[in-house]
Amino acid sequence: AQTVTQSQPEMSVQEAETVTLSCTYDTSENNYYLFWYKQPPSRQMILVIRQEAYKQQNATENRFSVNFQKAAKSFSLKISDSQLGDTAMYFCAFMDRTQGGSEKLVFGKGTKLTVNP
Amino acid sequence: DTGVSQNPRHKITKRGQNVTFRCDPISEHNRLYWYRQTLGQGPEFLTYFQNEAQLEKSRLLSDRFSAERPKGSFSTLEIQRTEQGDSAMYLCASSLFYRGQETQYFGPGTRLLVL
Repeated sequence: AQTVTQSQPEMSVQEAETVTLSCTYDTSENNYYLFWYKQPPSRQMILVIRQEAYKQQNATENRFSVNFQKAAKSFSLKISDSQLGDTAMYFCAFMDRTQGGSEKLVFGKGTKLTVNP
Repeated sequence: DTGVSQNPRHKITKRGQNVTFRCDPISEHNRLYWYRQTLGQGPEFLTYFQNEAQLEKSRLLSDRFSAERPKGSFSTLEIQRTEQGDSAMYLCASSLFYRGQETQYFGPGTRLLVL
């Protein structure tokens, strides 16, 4: 069974600075997707960024980028120029894309990020 | 708003009662997922549908839980004889599965409190 570990329960960063959230995962499969989702307080889960395991290039979406290290099974999220609106729980998630595999998302426990003014 | 919608947003019930939640996916999304999230945890998978077919159920899903997606559009999740341990946020997500690609988009959730 796949597992996702987020070792930082809470983090804080000053507005306009850069912060990196860590995520490691365990799988024996070779074909999978990785995601970062953001869940602001009392609001719904929003997709931040997606990475296909077969792609060597790290995904980027505006101020959000990932450092995907497939051999190390590491998938960290970097937020540049942090904004107050980035305050949220951030969840790392894994999806097995192996034919016949389960296509559910497996989530980590989350990292609570606070951006301070 | 064309996102995933869920109703009700909040539900308080007494132990032993039955409850039903509804999820309306993004139009033309063929997959629909149910997850449960307890305080301080990430969401846990419960079940999912492709069109009207239920393709997988988690071992977490006891016999008291049942889900349907009768016409491949909206879905309902029913919990019979609720227990206090069922208190959680129930999340629905939908995706368009096409050529092996999909990304799940989440609804706002239904928060259940069992007294």
